Amino acid sequence: KQEVTQIPAALSVPEGENLVLNCSFTDSAIYNLQWFRQDPGKGLTSLLLIQSSQREQTSGRLNASLDKSSGRSTLYIAASQPGDSATYLCAVSRELIQGAQKLVFGQGTGLTINP
Amino acid sequence: NAGVTQTPKFQVLKTGQSMTLQCAQDMNHEYMSWYRQDPGMGLRLIHYSVGAGITDQGEVPNGYNVSRSTTEDFPLRLLSAAPSQTSVYFCASSHLGRAATNEKLFFGSGTQLSVL
Repeated sequence: KQEVTQIPAALSVPEGENLVLNCSFTDSAIYNLQWFRQDPGKGLTSLLLIQSSQREQTSGRLNASLDKSSGRSTLYIAASQPGDSATYLCAVSRELIQGAQKLVFGQGTGLTINP
Repeated sequence: NAGVTQTPKFQVLKTGQSMTLQCAQDMNHEYMSWYRQDPGMGLRLIHYSVGAGITDQGEVPNGYNVSRSTTEDFPLRLLSAAPSQTSVYFCASSHLGRAATNEKLFFGSGTQLSVL
């Protein structure tokens, strides 16, 4: 059974710092890995998707890496801003039927950026 | 630009009551799914559908029914609510396709359900 773990559970840093969020998974047979952002009382917003054949993806100040062999992914946030404060969720997918994906989520890292 | 719309946003039920959580998407997505989010458990898949008339069970289907009569709508029914079903429910959708691994999942804003 796939298990996804995110460390740390919570992180508080001053504005402007670069930071890394960690995600590990137990089964390397994944189709992709996604990082989501969740704001309080809101849904999840997909930030980055890394296909199983890829090593990393970048979007603006965000960079996500994937190492399937070790079962690890990192989300790097450069020059953090107070608006980055949110819960960040990592999820790995496997195929259900006809290309539909089942996502297995980690429990998230709650990030607070202090002005 | 609605995306995935869930109603209601909040609901309180008594044990044994029934209700339907609504989910609609306007992106012509073939795949729709329901997740529940519980503290310490993360998000878990309840049911999913790959098209009208096609549904299947996810990880935690007991106590829930679904149907998919149109591409746009995927309601989740609680037949007899139990306190264990207190949770935040999210509907999510995406395209299916030859490159399905490229498809990001779009989430609704959630329904917070309390069963007393």
